[in-house]
Amino acid sequence: AQSVTQLGSHVSVSEGALVLLRCNYSSSVPPYLFWYVQYPNQGLQLLLKYTTGATLVKGINGFEAEFKKSETSFHLTKPSAHMSDAAEYFCAVARGSTLGRLYFGRGTQLTVWP
Amino acid sequence: DAEITQSPRHKITETGRQVTLACHQTWNHNNMFWYRQDLGHGLRLIHYSYGVQDTNKGEVSDGYSVSRSNTEDLPLTLESAASSQTSVYFCASSRDRRGTGELFFGEGSRLTVL
Repeated sequence: AQSVTQLGSHVSVSEGALVLLRCNYSSSVPPYLFWYVQYPNQGLQLLLKYTTGATLVKGINGFEAEFKKSETSFHLTKPSAHMSDAAEYFCAVARGSTLGRLYFGRGTQLTVWP
Repeated sequence: DAEITQSPRHKITETGRQVTLACHQTWNHNNMFWYRQDLGHGLRLIHYSYGVQDTNKGEVSDGYSVSRSNTEDLPLTLESAASSQTSVYFCASSRDRRGTGELFFGEGSRLTVL
């Protein structure tokens, strides 16, 4: 069985501050890991993904995430928050024989203060 | 451009009525999924399909059904709508099970059951 835990359902930062959204997963085999973003009244869109290779993954809009197998983590970061980053962020995992199927965390709502 | 569209985007119905939400994708993807999104629960998988004539139950399938008669469409039917099925429903697709698992989402269908 797989699960994804996102620590903190709400995160608030000031514009220009570091963004850190936490994600931990449980999986018995190396997973594929994803971060999706959802803007108000829209569907989810892919921010970045880790499949194999380099453990530091860069995505769109200046976001990046690092796969740490020893910590079973895939935290999302951005050095300097922008007002337009305000959205809900979802971590997701897929693996092996169920690659076509993603398991999602409960989401983290990011608020950016001016 | 290829896309995935859902209809209707908003629907209000009464308890006990049958409701069908449509999902149409033009990517020629084999995999299609239906998720529901509720506050505090993130995205939960309702049903999914890996190809024509293939359907599978997800984690919250009770009260829902799907059918896959062609590659492009996966309609979701609520046989007898209940207030607990008030939610936002997202359809998604992905290439195939051998892919990296990236999902492409529709913009969602907001269903209210009175």
